[in-house]
Order: sequence, then C-alpha cells, then structure tokens
Amino acid sequence: NAGVTQTPKFRVLKTGQSMTLLCAQDMNHEYMYWYRQDPGMGLRLIHYSVGEGTTAKGEVPDGYNVSRLKKQNFLLGLESAAPSQTSVYFCASTSGRAVYGYTFGSGTRLTVV
Amino acid sequence: RKEVEQDPGPFNVPEGATVAFNCTYSNSASQSFFWYRQDCRKEPKLLMSVYSSGNEDGRFTAQLNRASQYISLLIRDSKLSDSATYLCVATLSNTGNQFYFGTGTSLTVIP
Repeated sequence: NAGVTQTPKFRVLKTGQSMTLLCAQDMNHEYMYWYRQDPGMGLRLIHYSVGEGTTAKGEVPDGYNVSRLKKQNFLLGLESAAPSQTSVYFCASTSGRAVYGYTFGSGTRLTVV
Repeated sequence: RKEVEQDPGPFNVPEGATVAFNCTYSNSASQSFFWYRQDCRKEPKLLMSVYSSGNEDGRFTAQLNRASQYISLLIRDSKLSDSATYLCVATLSNTGNQFYFGTGTSLTVIP
C-alpha cells in the first residue's frame, strides 16, 4: 500500500518553462490537495479537489492549474514557471472525514532559475 | 490574520524535559484539530488528533480549549528523536475539509 506518491521528487526549471507534478493515491480518498511550503510561511493551499472531476482554488492559486480526471490522480501544472514558484510542493489526500487527518506525499522540491 | 497561529520557537530542551506548545485558531466554527510532526526535509505526518476532553498517547498529551480557541501539545520525558517541527492544524468542514496549518514550532532536544 503506497499511500500518496508524488513525482518527480526534484526538478530544476528555467523561468518560463512548464511542468506538471503528479500526485497519485491508492486509498480511494475523495479529497486531494496541493500545498506549497516556504520557510516562515508554513503550508499554503494552492488548489484542492473534493472528488473526481472537481477542483477549487485555495489560498495561493495564481500561476497554477490543476486537473482531477481520475479519482486517484491530482495533477498540478505550472504553465510558465517563475522564480517565486521555487518551493517544496506537497500533495495530500483524505477520505473526507476530517477526523482521519491528511496523508501527505513525500514532496517535490522545485527550483526555478 | 492567519487561521492558525503558533510560536515558531525554537524550543531547545534537554533530554528528559517536559515541553509544551500552544496554538491559537481564529475561527470559532473550527471543528477538528490535529498536531502533525515534520522532520527536516520530510512530509508532515499525523502525530495525534485533539479532542475536547483531552487525549494522551504515551508521552504526548493534547488539549483543546474551545472557549479560548487554543490547543496545546505537551511532551513529557523528551527524547532526542522528538526533535522536529510540530504543526498545529484546524479544519472547517464546510470548506471541502480544508485543513489550516500553523507555521510550525521547532523543537530540538539536546543530549
């Protein structure tokens, strides 16, 4: 049982390049989330999804797009990367019952130069 | 104002010490609360849920005070392995089960 898997684990992009981060969960969770974590800022929600085919904006959605075509996958896209998007990105999922908490992926370290 | 606020520390304590972290949340409608632990360059992992009646898990005790809107985490008999960042979390069930994280409190246990 892998839980939540994020790919890639590391990536260096040049300004203006695009990329997609993949999050996959095998726990049949309804809810999935993308967070970014920066020093002193804590975890900030980018986008989230409450079920297959649905997405919603979080606290810091600008510059990112997401898709949830399959229940188990949640994709985060950067269309034109900027240095301000240098961060650690975490995907998380939950069954929808808050009492169970989140399960996080191991993170993607992205550097935009 | 942030939804969840906590003292960033750092807290540096000797092995065997008792240490307490507090966290406040701004929305009185918050329904569920958690403490997460995050090791350096790793993902956050659920440490324990926080219940109104208070709950204990070994050396860890969590308390919730809804009237004052704060939660606490007490660690007794600190171990070197307790060194990590502790994140306080509150949820609002009407926002897609969205969790609000504090910025974390850094703990270092010194031999």
